[in-house]
Amino acid sequence: KQEVTQIPAALSVPEGENLVLNCSFTDSAIYNLQWFRQDPGKGLTSLLLIQSSQREQTSGRLNASLDKSSGRSTLYIAASQPGDSATYLCAVQGDSNYQLIWGAGTKLIIKP
Amino acid sequence: DAMVIQNPRYQVTQFGKPVTLSCSQTLNHNVMYWYQQKSSQAPKLLFHYYDKDFNNEADTPDNFQSRRPNTSFCFLDIRSPGLGDAAMYLCATSRAGQITDTQYFGPGTRLTVL
Repeated sequence: KQEVTQIPAALSVPEGENLVLNCSFTDSAIYNLQWFRQDPGKGLTSLLLIQSSQREQTSGRLNASLDKSSGRSTLYIAASQPGDSATYLCAVQGDSNYQLIWGAGTKLIIKP
Repeated sequence: DAMVIQNPRYQVTQFGKPVTLSCSQTLNHNVMYWYQQKSSQAPKLLFHYYDKDFNNEADTPDNFQSRRPNTSFCFLDIRSPGLGDAAMYLCATSRAGQITDTQYFGPGTRLTVL
């Protein structure tokens, strides 16, 4: 059974720092891995989707990497801003169906 | 442009009083999902529709039902809400057959049970 873990559960850094969020999964048989952002009391916004054949995806200041063999993904945020404060969730899509298996998220606080 | 719309955004109901949450989409996606998310937890899939085919998760309580009258709309019915059903309810859509496609989420409905 696929399990997704995100560490740390919470992270607070000063504005301007580069940071890395971690996601690990137990079963490497995945179709893709996605990173989502959730603002307090709001829905989920898809940030990046990495297909199983890819190693990384970039969007603006965000870069997500995927290492299937080790069951790990990282989300790199460059030059962090207070507006980046949110909860970041990763989710993997198994190769047997299209449902998502979720991590519990990392709550990120960027201090001005 | 809103693509997945949920109404209402906030719903307060009384213990045991039936409630219906609504989701509509303008994406013409054939898969629609309902998730329950409690504070500081990951979203939990309740069920999904693949076109008109209903797929219930094994651990979804019987108290939760769903209807999908057409491609655009999907409803979540909670027949007798308990205090433990207070949560954020998220609707999402995707294109079946497009394995690499992401799910598009609505803003959610926060349900309070008094």
